[in-house]
Amino acid sequence: KAGVTQTPRYLIKTRGQQVTLSCSPISGHRSVSWYQQTPGQGLQFLFEYFSETQRNKGNFPGRFSGRQFSNSRSEMNVSTLELGDSALYLCASSPGHGQAEYNEQFFGPGTRLTVL
Amino acid sequence: GQQVMQIPQYQHVQEGEDFTTYCNSSTTLSNIQWYKQRPGGHPVFLIQLVKSGEVKKQKRLTFQFGEAKKNSSLHITATQTTDVGTYFCFFPNQAGTALIFGKGTTLSVSS
Repeated sequence: KAGVTQTPRYLIKTRGQQVTLSCSPISGHRSVSWYQQTPGQGLQFLFEYFSETQRNKGNFPGRFSGRQFSNSRSEMNVSTLELGDSALYLCASSPGHGQAEYNEQFFGPGTRLTVL
Repeated sequence: GQQVMQIPQYQHVQEGEDFTTYCNSSTTLSNIQWYKQRPGGHPVFLIQLVKSGEVKKQKRLTFQFGEAKKNSSLHITATQTTDVGTYFCFFPNQAGTALIFGKGTTLSVSS
């Protein structure tokens, strides 16, 4: 099985712009979660989608949004970028069935976003 | 809200020494997972613990879930340079509104 893929791998934007990141989960996985990783804050949960519905949400401002498509692919959007949004954005997929939140998560390689 | 503490933040050991990282929660957990992230890489699942007092072993790694299901530990016996990386504990918020990772313990090993 192919692993989780994320595009693009690297991105440079300027303050005020918006950005869309993409994540393709492992085939058959219905849950996709997004995380922001920074040296100071570690891995912080953004949101989780399951079958096109947002199932869990972290404590990020409304500038961060996401969606999931019928094929389970997910996108994350950040509007009005700030310097502090510079981070590695990781997505993770899991089967999502049963005790869904508790399935093993498979991470993608991440998108490195730099905001200038 | 739920508080999570993972200690230590950093640990340097000589190859062959043991290493332990601890994860503590302010609330009772339904389960806990452990992940390892190599430098420049992404987190990789190591194990999941579900039962109170559960102990699981993977070669030189021993994982433990506390009796009260509020804490967990990962112990590595006789570290090797391949153990280098950051180890994270992970568990869902009690209310199911967030998925939480500990801040991680970064292990460095010198030979």
